[in-house]
Amino acid sequence: DQQVKQNSPSLSVQEGRISILNCDYTNSMFDYFLWYKKYPAEGPTFLISISSIKDKNEDGRFTVFLNKSAKHLSLHIVPSQPGDSAVYFCAAMGSNYKLTFGKGTLLTVNP
Amino acid sequence: DTAVSQTPKYLVTQMGNDKSIKCEQNLGHDTMYWYKQDSKKFLKIMFSYNNKELIINETVPNRFSPKSPDKAHLNLHINSLELGDSAVYFCASSQGGRFNEKLFFGSGTQLSVL
Repeated sequence: DQQVKQNSPSLSVQEGRISILNCDYTNSMFDYFLWYKKYPAEGPTFLISISSIKDKNEDGRFTVFLNKSAKHLSLHIVPSQPGDSAVYFCAAMGSNYKLTFGKGTLLTVNP
Repeated sequence: DTAVSQTPKYLVTQMGNDKSIKCEQNLGHDTMYWYKQDSKKFLKIMFSYNNKELIINETVPNRFSPKSPDKAHLNLHINSLELGDSAVYFCASSQGGRFNEKLFFGSGTQLSVL
């Protein structure tokens, strides 16, 4: 029962262009969403978050958009850099404080 | 000066053995977790402790026993290891509190059961 889905296992973009990573969720009780980035042989690191009272949160090159009616969120990276190449995990939380993760999307930014 | 450190990084063992993974955080966080990343790459929570008290205990076989001697440490002991226990286990910590669940992860322990 995948409550958080990242349907694209991989994404390849050119350096300098926009990367858009998508995430869908099924549980309407989720009200806090996070993105994590993971390099090989390392643990995930927090990237950006958004609560359900907002529809956009921006931090430098990273912007997360939330569409509650569609139960969809996306992470935009502009401009993409080769160092952004990593696996990106979407995660969601409800009132039980448990984070539910998606399977991740491998982003490759080509120089 | 790693924030969340777990040892060992790699663990190769035989079925039926008992093994432990240790985790320590120096961030002053109140809450610590164990997550498992299985072969399908899902990161799933196993346990969570807040100030040495167990607050989340997912459906995990009772061969897995977490131990928190103090709020900076959360160890995971696994009895009678099985092939299906092979996975990457991540320790994490957070400051806790609503909308503050930014987790800091360790680098993971790759467990291989032969």
